[in-house]
Amino acid sequence: ETGVTQTPRHLVMGMTNKKSLKCEQHLGHNAMYWYKQSAKKPLELMFVYNFKEQTENNSVPSRFSPECPNSSHLFLHLHTLQPEDSALYLCASSQDTGRDGYTFGSGTRLTVV
Amino acid sequence: AQKVTQAQTEISVVEKEDVTLDCVYETRDTTYYLFWYKQPPSGELVFLIRRNSFDEQNEISGRYSWNFQKSTSSFNFTITASQVVDSAVYFCALSDSNSGYALNFGKGTSLLVTP
Repeated sequence: ETGVTQTPRHLVMGMTNKKSLKCEQHLGHNAMYWYKQSAKKPLELMFVYNFKEQTENNSVPSRFSPECPNSSHLFLHLHTLQPEDSALYLCASSQDTGRDGYTFGSGTRLTVV
Repeated sequence: AQKVTQAQTEISVVEKEDVTLDCVYETRDTTYYLFWYKQPPSGELVFLIRRNSFDEQNEISGRYSWNFQKSTSSFNFTITASQVVDSAVYFCALSDSNSGYALNFGKGTSLLVTP
């Protein structure tokens, strides 16, 4: 148990589906992040939330929609995805800006068919 | 531009060999932070070490050691007497003001340790 829990672990969805990824942290951190990890590419920062406020959106397509209802929960809503969106989606949390590092969840392996 | 470069994509060693994973970073800040993470096959990234730019002391933790050299902008990671359980992907990351101190990761080095 890493303190950051992601569900589901695996998800297969069609291009017309709508699904959501969930992340929950039990560490008392105030910042949460979504990263995308594709094969042969660096980890890509998607969204940053600090005290429930989105502070960064790295030019992510609108078919990805984050939601942070409180400092402990983070969602990534997915709709009309493309096959190239298939990847491992990692959630992380940190105290403040993350200068002390992040704690990561185990990720959701997403396959878009 | 890539801020963290891990030039070694894959490394394969035999158990008990020493192995060094290279990391070169780029930043204009004088205050920044460097990290190494391990990603085993299970997927989650496991924190290994954090260094700030003002602390150039090398660090040793068991079989792991890190060599931070500001003169060459490098933060290399050495595993001594490697074991099969060390097989994983290792990521180097940089945190600086340019990204609001969010972590920027290198592409990772996949290490395979065979018996």
